Amino acid sequence: FMLTQPHSVSESPGKTVTISCSRSSGPIDSYYVHWYRQRPGSSPTIVIYEDNQRPSGVPDRISGSIDKSSNSASLTISRLKTEDEADYYCQSRDATNSWVFGGGTKLTVL
Amino acid sequence: QVQLVESGGGVVQPGGSLRLSCTTSDFIFSNYGMHWVRQAPGKGLEWVAFIRFDGRLKYYSDSVKGRFTISRDNSRDTMYLEMSRLRTDDSSVYFCAKDPNPHAAQGDNWFASWGQGTLVSVSS
Repeated sequence: FMLTQPHSVSESPGKTVTISCSRSSGPIDSYYVHWYRQRPGSSPTIVIYEDNQRPSGVPDRISGSIDKSSNSASLTISRLKTEDEADYYCQSRDATNSWVFGGGTKLTVL
Repeated sequence: QVQLVESGGGVVQPGGSLRLSCTTSDFIFSNYGMHWVRQAPGKGLEWVAFIRFDGRLKYYSDSVKGRFTISRDNSRDTMYLEMSRLRTDDSSVYFCAKDPNPHAAQGDNWFASWGQGTLVSVSS
């Protein structure tokens, strides 16, 4: 299966942005969806795991959800800050024992 | 603080071989599954391989199966990726990443910690 994300999104500071992640085949809830943030020149870090769980240190203005009707997951960041500018990747697992990433979304906070 | 440090990257000709290492500290390495994930320049993330905490279960992506071998030495807290028959499209930063929970029989579902990566360039 594939995970499809928009190539880029942009929004102003203080606003809310949602990044989608659409699963091509199989139910979105067959395996958990996870989200990573990657700032330029840095390695990825987890921001949401198991659909909607926040690791310690991630602020509650970052949230995750899944929508079975659209077979997709979403990452929502509210009260946007310039420090949120980064690439965001969704990731899930496959029944054939592989781990799959979405193509990534570049978030610009302008 | 979990530490993962990759090394062994460099420039290699197509068809050549390279061995990457991931040296770890500040957690009980022998309890955790580990992965290699790569990222081509300017591109997205691609999972490459997984090895279970005890080394007895390994999975590979289709793009590297038969060419790459993942292994680990729990006495040295180190994981390896032996890469052979390298192709130009293997050129990437290679990250090692750690499972979040110990003793996951089939590997865990996400990547809790990442190293800083090591660059592999395959070019003639």
